[in-house]
Amino acid sequence: QQKVQQSPESLSVPEGGMASFNCTSSDRNFQYFWWYRQHSGEGPKALMSIFSDGDKKEGRFTAHLNKASLHVSLHIRDSQPSDSALYFCAAREDDTNAYKVIFGKGTHLHVLP
Amino acid sequence: AQTIHQWPVAEIKAVGSPLSLGCTIKGKSSPNLYWYWQATGGTLQQLFYSITVGQVESVVQLNLSASRPKDDQFILSTEKLLLSHSGFYLCAFRDWDYEQYFGPGTRLTVL
Repeated sequence: QQKVQQSPESLSVPEGGMASFNCTSSDRNFQYFWWYRQHSGEGPKALMSIFSDGDKKEGRFTAHLNKASLHVSLHIRDSQPSDSALYFCAAREDDTNAYKVIFGKGTHLHVLP
Repeated sequence: AQTIHQWPVAEIKAVGSPLSLGCTIKGKSSPNLYWYWQATGGTLQQLFYSITVGQVESVVQLNLSASRPKDDQFILSTEKLLLSHSGFYLCAFRDWDYEQYFGPGTRLTVL
């Protein structure tokens, strides 16, 4: 079973709209999360990390973590065509095994002009 | 600022031929380094990680090997390519908070 599960697989939003992504870990050892974005043909870049319960806001991006349910979400407000990309949720285990990072399957975001 | 250089940018190789991909990190001392594989539009699969020169740990078996001959260099190789090796190969280093910084990648097509 995939340890980090993302939904939806694909998402289309109008320019200026809100894009929302979901991610759930099936392993309680994975409690440190990141969101990465990958434009076509490029390497992924980290958008933000979230390690504590609650919300974390950076500009147009807001992440939310609920450690009890191991659920993390990402919301992009005022979406722009340049936000069209593949978005990954990633998680790592506790410090004793910090070298292994697990990525979800990703969500394709299409922002329609 | 840290930079990651990967070479080559792209490769087209025949099944059964050897392969060597390289990665160089500049501006970061003794980095933790990673190799990832990505099928087209797919998820990122961690292949190897290295904490120090000469030490490489395998995360998944894909008939590939990795070496770290220098502090700033990570090499991915195989003696015999398979069709299933096609994809996008990414090198990354780990920052202090475990965030992964990826290179630009190498696109490999095996025919």
